[in-house]
Amino acid sequence: AQSVTQPDIHITVSEGASLELRCNYSYGATPYLFWYVQSPGQGLQLLLKYFSGDTLVQGIKGFEAEFKRSQSSFNLRKPSVHWSDAAEYFCAVGAPPSGTYKYIFGTGTRLKVLA
Amino acid sequence: DAGVTQSPTHLIKTRGQHVTLRCSPISGHKSVSWYQQVLGQGPQFIFQYYEKEERGRGNFPDRFSARQFPNYSSELNVNALLLGDSALYLCASSAGTGAPLSSYEQYFGPGTRLTVT
Repeated sequence: AQSVTQPDIHITVSEGASLELRCNYSYGATPYLFWYVQSPGQGLQLLLKYFSGDTLVQGIKGFEAEFKRSQSSFNLRKPSVHWSDAAEYFCAVGAPPSGTYKYIFGTGTRLKVLA
Repeated sequence: DAGVTQSPTHLIKTRGQHVTLRCSPISGHKSVSWYQQVLGQGPQFIFQYYEKEERGRGNFPDRFSARQFPNYSSELNVNALLLGDSALYLCASSAGTGAPLSSYEQYFGPGTRLTVT
């Protein structure tokens, strides 16, 4: 069965510092992978996605993620965090289309940014 | 272009009542999925509809049902509400055609916050 693990429930970084949020998945083949961000009381905004090809993907707001098949990981990174990045981040896995566009989400990582 | 819209924004119901939540997808998108997000958790898949047909169902009881209309909007219905149904209900829209791969991307609405008392 597919599953997603985000080991860090909370992360605190200083503004301007680098960021890495971890995501590990379980799936029998190469999945589709996504990172979403959710601000308080808001819906989810798609940051970036991986379908195939280049394992380093660029997203919006200066985020990037790297797919590592050997580690079953898809970690999210940003070189310099801004105060406005404080939010909750969700990693999600989807199976290549077989009729159902079902995503499995991790439990999220809440990011706090110190001024 | 308008994004995914959901109504109502907030809702308070009593145990045992019924609720209907509504979703309008992005123009041109034919697939709608529903997710339940309990406080402190990630979203959980409830249903997916494509071209008015159910394409997927998550591990939710039969009290949960949905449908999609000819204009691709969708309703989620929950009967006999329980306290545990209190959550943020998210609707996600995707092109849903299977090609190109970008049609698999899901775009989420702001959600409906349901409180059951």
